[in-house]
Amino acid sequence: DSGVTQTPKHLITATGQRVTLRCSPRSGDLSVYWYQQSLDQGLQFLIQYYNGEERAKGNILERFSAQQFPDLHSELNLSSLELGDSALYFCASSPTGVGEQYFGPGTRLTVT
Amino acid sequence: TQLLEQSPQFLSIQEGENLTVYCNSSSVFSSLQWYRQEPGEGPVLLVTVVTGGEVKKLKRLTFQFGDARKDSSLHITAAQPGDTGLYLCAGVRSNYQLIWGAGTKLIIKP
Repeated sequence: DSGVTQTPKHLITATGQRVTLRCSPRSGDLSVYWYQQSLDQGLQFLIQYYNGEERAKGNILERFSAQQFPDLHSELNLSSLELGDSALYFCASSPTGVGEQYFGPGTRLTVT
Repeated sequence: TQLLEQSPQFLSIQEGENLTVYCNSSSVFSSLQWYRQEPGEGPVLLVTVVTGGEVKKLKRLTFQFGDARKDSSLHITAAQPGDTGLYLCAGVRSNYQLIWGAGTKLIIKP
């Protein structure tokens, strides 16, 4: 158990819908990262927050957005969902925003 | 553009064999991390290598960072079914950006 929690574990929704994924970092970690992993693929970095501020942006679509709240939990919002958005979405946290990352168990999103 | 190339992409071997997977780049990294991911779970950090030429051992796993800090290797001795998983390397650039490889999918057959 990494100490990072993600909810929900599974999510099934229809095309065109909007969903919110939630992540709570390890106690004391200030930085949160979001990743997308499609079947049998590597990790695609989406976005990083540090202490409430956006720090780095990766291959995040305009239909996706995220934020980190004052209590340091983070949410990833996915809208106008397409079939190709079906994937595992991982959240990771780190103490300082650099160095090792600790991953949550992931949210499996299925768009039908 | 894939800045961090992992090879092979897929490897299936028998229990007891040795193997090496590689992580190569034309870029210099301040450090490099190796993770293992089991199906349906998040990646778990195995090791971080920092110094050029550094070798770290974790039981049957040996990690090496290239002298120029552009590449790394992971060698597994006497592989076991429990070693099965996706092995990911991630390089840390001087601006602290993390660059991920696409991974090596390893299957160890009993």
